[in-house]
Amino acid sequence: AQKVTQAQTEISVVEKEDVTLDCVYETRDTTYYLFWYKQPPSGELVFLIRRNSFDEQNEISGRYSWNFQKSTSSFNFTITASQVVDSAVYFCALSSPSGSARQLTFGSGTQLTVLP
Amino acid sequence: GAGVSQSPRYKVAKRGQDVALRCDPISGHVSLFWYQQALGQGPEFLTYFQNEAQLDKSGLPSDRFFAERPEGSVSTLKIQRTQQEDSAVYLCASSSRQAISSNQPQHFGDGTRLSIL
Repeated sequence: AQKVTQAQTEISVVEKEDVTLDCVYETRDTTYYLFWYKQPPSGELVFLIRRNSFDEQNEISGRYSWNFQKSTSSFNFTITASQVVDSAVYFCALSSPSGSARQLTFGSGTQLTVLP
Repeated sequence: GAGVSQSPRYKVAKRGQDVALRCDPISGHVSLFWYQQALGQGPEFLTYFQNEAQLDKSGLPSDRFFAERPEGSVSTLKIQRTQQEDSAVYLCASSSRQAISSNQPQHFGDGTRLSIL
């Protein structure tokens, strides 16, 4: 069974602050993929990043960075110098290649509010 | 269009009515997924198609839910005899290919917000 836990339900920060969104996952597979998606109020899920289980290098993309730690089963997401436009619900998700489907198992999401 | 298109954007139905939700995936995408997202929750998997074949329907909550993709492109999710607990956002996603060794990101539509009165 797969499970993704996002313990932070809601986070509020003031613009320009850094913020880290936590994600902890469970899987028995040795090969798997982790994702982060952003869901703005419009409702569409926007793909941010995909990481496979064999690549533990941290990644930076502009103001976004991701810290993948296999030893603690965590895949945390940091936004540096947050902006009001970053306000959204952020979902961490897990996918395993085993089985017939490649469905994503999502966490319950973290509502990020960036205040001006 | 360039993205996944879902219609209608909003649907209100009375309990007991049948509803049909449409998904038009990104052109050329062979994999298509349906998810159900309850308020304040993450999306939950319903069913998966590879081209016209429905390879996994393990997430469909009851036999009132039915999905099809007859020509391997547009898909329809049908809910018969709707119940109040069916109220949710129904999301469709597509991805470019299915591979054993890689996992292409799924691209989502805006969803259909279904309200059952």
